[in-house]
Amino acid sequence: AQRVTQPEKLLSVFKGAPVELKCNYSYSGSPELFWYVQYSRQRLQLLLRHISRESIKGFTADLNKGETSFHLKKPFAQEEDSAMYYCALLSGSSNTGKLIFGQGTTLQVKP
Amino acid sequence: DAGITQSPRHKVTETGTPVTLRCHQTENHRYMYWYRQDPGHGLRLIHYSYGVKDTDKGEVSDGYSVSRSKTEDFLLTLESATSSQTSVYFCAISVTGTTGELFFGEGSRLTVL
Repeated sequence: AQRVTQPEKLLSVFKGAPVELKCNYSYSGSPELFWYVQYSRQRLQLLLRHISRESIKGFTADLNKGETSFHLKKPFAQEEDSAMYYCALLSGSSNTGKLIFGQGTTLQVKP
Repeated sequence: DAGITQSPRHKVTETGTPVTLRCHQTENHRYMYWYRQDPGHGLRLIHYSYGVKDTDKGEVSDGYSVSRSKTEDFLLTLESATSSQTSVYFCAISVTGTTGELFFGEGSRLTVL
């Protein structure tokens, strides 16, 4: 079965602290994984995808196939990082571009 | 914003009434999707479309139907709304084929009383 799990509903950190949002997946084959973010009163938007290996807004995510994880990390959290974060897996059942989302984690960065 | 708009943005309705949500894109992208967002469940796919008159079911399609009679519009219909369909509905389009990079609409908040 294809599944994405984000174990934390809420992650609360102080400004300047490191952040790690956890994502685990279940998938047979080579997964394509994404992080999407939804800031308050804004649309859901793509933050990064593992294939591009980019760092966006200071965030990085490394695919660990052994642990079936794709955790999102940032060394120093900023207040503007407060948002809902979703991990997503590209469905491999057909070439349709469907995404399977995790439950989401709310990141709260306190001043 | 990839030219995607949803309407209505907010709607309150009563159990048993039909409801139609509209997703409109200003470009000719082939793939369009309807998701619902619920606390504890994240986003779940309801239906998707891969072209005019070409649609298929997603994970939570029961109680919903869709239509796509022209490229730019993808309609989601709740045939007889129930309280369990109270949710925020998001439309999305793929501008890069089937790569998983989606652009989302602003969402439609539906309350079924």
